[in-house]
Amino acid sequence: QSVLTQPPSASGAPGQAVTISCSGSSSDIGSNSVNWYQQLPGAGPELLIYNNNQRPSGVPDRFSGSKSGTSGSLAISGLQSEDEADYFCASWHDSLSGWVFGGGTKLTVL
Amino acid sequence: QVQLQESGPGLVKTSETLSLTCSVSGDSPSGYYWNWIRQSPGKALEWIGRISYSGTTRYNPSLKSRVTLSLDTSKNQFSLRLTSVSAADTAVYYCARHISSWWGIDSWGQGTLVTVSS
Repeated sequence: QSVLTQPPSASGAPGQAVTISCSGSSSDIGSNSVNWYQQLPGAGPELLIYNNNQRPSGVPDRFSGSKSGTSGSLAISGLQSEDEADYFCASWHDSLSGWVFGGGTKLTVL
Repeated sequence: QVQLQESGPGLVKTSETLSLTCSVSGDSPSGYYWNWIRQSPGKALEWIGRISYSGTTRYNPSLKSRVTLSLDTSKNQFSLRLTSVSAADTAVYYCARHISSWWGIDSWGQGTLVTVSS
């Protein structure tokens, strides 16, 4: 059981857009930022979005993030086959003074 | 570009101690927090704990009684020690760093699978 809640799967055709949600609480997303990661099979996670909507250098602007209240969202536009991966959200948890994570969403590009 | 690499035994016997090391290259470890995170098969990621460059530690309460993190600044390495392991500790273990809770974990190792078996 993960602290942050994500849908287990999402899908879209090449060129389409998809949105992945991440729901938390007042102790994590509600009072801290949401960060998003992409994980390819056998590899470590890669940072996609930090501080709710900021992209590290090198991340395409097809990836965008937002936050509202205790939830965050990752939007991917212009889907490409190489976007097929697992995506998970993370946030700082105040009482834990550590990181909490979503269960991950497996994105399939049809 | 910083690189993190986990190393340690892939198989640990039940009730024994799991020990892993994370080697940091490509950047100074100064100013960062260094985390251990694990993912058991079919389960979500679980934060184990963190250690600052000055050596201050913080642990997940669910594991606190069994976990020790340490830092060797001379070798640019930090380590995880988890005692009295059971099958429930079988997981992929990641080391990762962050500088601020607002900026997220910006770098992860590729992870290492540790299996606990009798």
